[in-house]
Amino acid sequence: KNEVEQSPQNLTAQEGEFITINCSYSVGISALHWLQQHPGGGIVSLFMLSSGKKKHGRLIATINIQEKHSSLHITASHPRDSAVYICAVWNTGNQFYFGTGTSLTVIP
Amino acid sequence: DVKVTQSSRYLVKRTGEKVFLECVQDMDHENMFWYRQDPGLGLRLIYFSYDVKMKEKGDIPEGYSVSREKKERFSLILESASTNQTSMYLCASSPPKGYTIYFGEGSWLTVV
Repeated sequence: KNEVEQSPQNLTAQEGEFITINCSYSVGISALHWLQQHPGGGIVSLFMLSSGKKKHGRLIATINIQEKHSSLHITASHPRDSAVYICAVWNTGNQFYFGTGTSLTVIP
Repeated sequence: DVKVTQSSRYLVKRTGEKVFLECVQDMDHENMFWYRQDPGLGLRLIYFSYDVKMKEKGDIPEGYSVSREKKERFSLILESASTNQTSMYLCASSPPKGYTIYFGEGSWLTVV
């Protein structure tokens, strides 16, 4: 059983397209993170959400606590956005659970 | 600039060798974690520690042990490396309630 489910697993987009990645979770949480991993690289946190919505540049993340669902949106996608995006939740039982990631490729 | 530093980026070891992977964080975080990442399987928790000398098994602890003698350092030990432990290993740290998380750059281990 997966506590965190992401969709889609793979996504290819043309440069400039609007992209949405979805995350659903089944456990109680106090925080949700969207993480980014470039090929061969480490993982960095893009956002931490406990409620509502956050925006950093072209990235927007939302969370609906009642529905246990979060989305990551990328507006005006660019080839440098190509990476794996991972949803992670901090469970109230004191550990992180991770989705298996969404591999995004943005074609020029 | 906050940092989680893993001692080795790439290692090649022989079957049966003892392998040490070191992780150091400079953020005074209580929680530290070791994960392995394999294609299609995502991040899987090996062990975590929420305080000095404390450790908890994660989802896949078999064949691994850990040590946390100082708050900033969390070591992963493969007692007798096997080929099925070939993987990318990631260390992470966070404060108690998980409001931030920082990862190291990862250690690519190949066991031959």
